[in-house]
Amino acid sequence: DSGVTQTPKHLITATGQRVTLRCSPRSGDLSVYWYQQSLDQGLQFLIQYYNGEERAKGNILERFSAQQFPDLHSELNLSSLELGDSALYFCASSVGQGGYEQYFGPGTRLTVT
Amino acid sequence: SQKIEQNSEALNIQEGKTATLTCNYTNYSPAYLQWYRQDPGRGPVFLLLIRENEKEKRKERLKVTFDTTLKQSLFHITASQPADSATYLCALLSGGYNKLIFGAGTRLAVHP
Repeated sequence: DSGVTQTPKHLITATGQRVTLRCSPRSGDLSVYWYQQSLDQGLQFLIQYYNGEERAKGNILERFSAQQFPDLHSELNLSSLELGDSALYFCASSVGQGGYEQYFGPGTRLTVT
Repeated sequence: SQKIEQNSEALNIQEGKTATLTCNYTNYSPAYLQWYRQDPGRGPVFLLLIRENEKEKRKERLKVTFDTTLKQSLFHITASQPADSATYLCALLSGGYNKLIFGAGTRLAVHP
């Protein structure tokens, strides 16, 4: 158990809908990272927050947004969902903002039908 | 463009042998290289981090080497066990050291 929690574990929704994925980092970690993993793309970095501020951005679509709250939990919002958004979404956390030694949550499996 | 290559073919070895996985990269000058383990349907687990000025790092049965001239890292598991069967991911930091870029991973299967 990494200490990172993610909810929900599974999500099934229809195209065009909007969903919110939630992540709580390990106690003491200030950075939260979001990743998308699909079969054909591998593990792709989406975005990083450190202590409430955006620190780095990957290939995150404009339909996706994220934020980190004062209690350090983070939410990833996915809107206007398409079939291709079906994937495993992982959250990770680390103590510092440098991106190393990241601890991953169990993931949320999103299925768009 | 920046690229990380790991052997996409599964590595099958006998229990007790040493498994060696390769990570090659191009168009990077990473200060750090990391290895993660991922089991099917689960989140990656951090294993080891090696810095550019370290040639080798060990942790229990794991050993990582980092050759910045060859742009290659080797990941060794000695005395392998069936429980070591998983996908192993190599990762480099990019873009100001915040963006962690993962290779596609190599699946290791250790047979009794």
